[in-house]
Amino acid sequence: DVKVTQSSRYLVKRTGEKVFLECVQDMDHENMFWYRQDPGLGLRLIYFSYDVKMKEKGDIPEGYSVSREKKERFSLILESASTNQTSMYLCASSTQGEQYFGPGTRLTVT
Amino acid sequence: AQSVTQPDIHITVSEGASLELRCNYSYGATPYLFWYVQSPGQGLQLLLKYFSGDTLVQGIKGFEAEFKRSQSSFNLRKPSVHWSDAAEYFCAVGRNGNKLVFGAGTILRVKS
Repeated sequence: DVKVTQSSRYLVKRTGEKVFLECVQDMDHENMFWYRQDPGLGLRLIYFSYDVKMKEKGDIPEGYSVSREKKERFSLILESASTNQTSMYLCASSTQGEQYFGPGTRLTVT
Repeated sequence: AQSVTQPDIHITVSEGASLELRCNYSYGATPYLFWYVQSPGQGLQLLLKYFSGDTLVQGIKGFEAEFKRSQSSFNLRKPSVHWSDAAEYFCAVGRNGNKLVFGAGTILRVKS
């Protein structure tokens, strides 16, 4: 079975802090994705990566950056967390069009 | 631009009753279509997918979906709902580079 893990299930940070969300997949997938999920809005794509050190902006990249130094790991970085970044963050990896999701990190910024 | 509409935010059905969740998409080419389910506190799990071929696709947990090109729809169905089906359901359409566009989701409540 494909396994996508995320470093934390719950995270509480203060406004202005730098926040790192880590995602690891064990299936050697080329593509990895970061989404945020908000009620009534579904999942919105923040960034994705199609290879090591390669990244592209998604639909809502403002306030976020990413890093992919190894194929299995894709990190989402909030350079200076703000309260409007309080959300559920989901990581996914994909092969042949099908995406596999991690359990999510619920981030609260106070 | 691709978009996905799930017209029903909440649906409540009785256990044992049939279920249909609606999904309409906007996409210029032949779409890749997906249904995912999210149980409380969990990530998303793929229920079924349509890439090509037979327009009626079978998925896990007794779910099926029918692709209707003329109606730009990909509705999810189940003949008899179980209490464990209570969850949020997301329809998605594939776009370039393996990316997906998701609908806003439909929350299913099952009453006993």
